[in-house]
Amino acid sequence: EIVMTQSPATLSVSPGERATFSCRASQSVSSNLAWYQQRPGQAPRLLIYGASTRATGFPARFSGSGSGTEFTLTISSLQSEDFAVYYCQQYDNWPYTFGQGTKLEIK
Amino acid sequence: QITLKESGPTLVKPTQTLTLTCTFSGFSLSTSGVGVGWIRQPPGKDLEWLALIYWDDEKRYSPSLKSRLTITKDTSKNQVVLSVTNVDPVDTATYYCVHAFQHWGQGTLVTVSS
Repeated sequence: EIVMTQSPATLSVSPGERATFSCRASQSVSSNLAWYQQRPGQAPRLLIYGASTRATGFPARFSGSGSGTEFTLTISSLQSEDFAVYYCQQYDNWPYTFGQGTKLEIK
Repeated sequence: QITLKESGPTLVKPTQTLTLTCTFSGFSLSTSGVGVGWIRQPPGKDLEWLALIYWDDEKRYSPSLKSRLTITKDTSKNQVVLSVTNVDPVDTATYYCVHAFQHWGQGTLVTVSS
């Protein structure tokens, strides 16, 4: 099973600033990496797939990069609605696995 | 428009079997390449893939739970059913059905308690 490790566990950033999330896979997952946003009490929403393709409904301030074992999610200028938990998930090998999440909180 | 909705008991006793149904619309599980999966999330904890079923009836199970899981589909009813046998309080979680990573049900919270 591929282990996904996210860092940091919590990210404190002020609105308007940049947020950067990291996700590392225990073995290569090529570009088969997705990011999700989860707000309290809601189901996760697909944010990025194929490591860098934005899903429908998310603005250009969200971007993903990386391949192999190292991945990054960047939010360029934080808006109030962006404060949530972000998960990465590999879908290169079954079982698909999630990272433990990074909570983005208001500084 | 694609929608999915989970249904099933909210409370189950330890050792019982939990059966959840995902009823979906907007796509067909008889279409090549299509799949529906189940993911769960214990309160305040991480997400975990449980099972997947594809249009051709290929099934995948979480290795750690494989002996307790069964996933089936009813194409005519647009439903996918997940059964979890011998439940334990650690199985308390919100259970989601998912299609193509992008479409999620609202989730259903299942509590395992005597």
